[in-house]
Amino acid sequence: DTGVSQDPRHKITKRGQNVTFRCDPISEHNRLYWYRQTLGQGPEFLTYFQNEAQLEKSRLLSDRFSAERPKGSFSTLEIQRTEQGDSAMYLCASSLSSSAQGAIRGTEAFFGQGTRLTVV
Amino acid sequence: AQKITQTQPGMFVQEKEAVTLDCTYDTSDQSYGLFWYKQPSSGEMIFLIYQGSYDEQNATEGRYSLNFQKARKSANLVISASQLGDSAMYFCAMRRPSGGYNKLIFGAGTRLAVHP
Repeated sequence: DTGVSQDPRHKITKRGQNVTFRCDPISEHNRLYWYRQTLGQGPEFLTYFQNEAQLEKSRLLSDRFSAERPKGSFSTLEIQRTEQGDSAMYLCASSLSSSAQGAIRGTEAFFGQGTRLTVV
Repeated sequence: AQKITQTQPGMFVQEKEAVTLDCTYDTSDQSYGLFWYKQPSSGEMIFLIYQGSYDEQNATEGRYSLNFQKARKSANLVISASQLGDSAMYFCAMRRPSGGYNKLIFGAGTRLAVHP
């Protein structure tokens, strides 16, 4: 399977605990994105990496959230001291940059199946 | 600020009929991209179709076509010959294709139910 993979698919945790999610992008994709999706809403952007550099962070990404992409390959998203409001689907996506692809078309983001977090 | 509006929370269609899902957008950019994604109950967002703001032709991908009306800032998705497997959430999204702004802005989605 050469798609975007996320692990775990589901996570139930107690309030106050730390959780970490992993995303493995499509291997040749240099861009990686994290989104959060709450029930009944569309995904909301959290952060994005080009290779190993974190280039943009949303205001939604409080100081309890941290994301890394060491060596520009897989990425992790950690949530410290989880709160019930963190319950959501966390989606990872990857894409080629337009400069790498040479055209805008074909730079669409491919998403993983997400990690559903439930904080109890 | 960029914004995507999907005014239809839910739609239903008979199998083999065509259906149009509405999407309007707001942006002051001249260059942007519009996307439609499908999200089945499994959760994965599946890319369907892309339209660039400078594309003169409406995008088509198999049974999917995008009715792009730039002056009205609308990018409606048309699904022809609906199938039971088309039942899912559908999201319209917008992206600036160049520069540092690569995030997708999504609408709230439309739930499509295809009836036999």
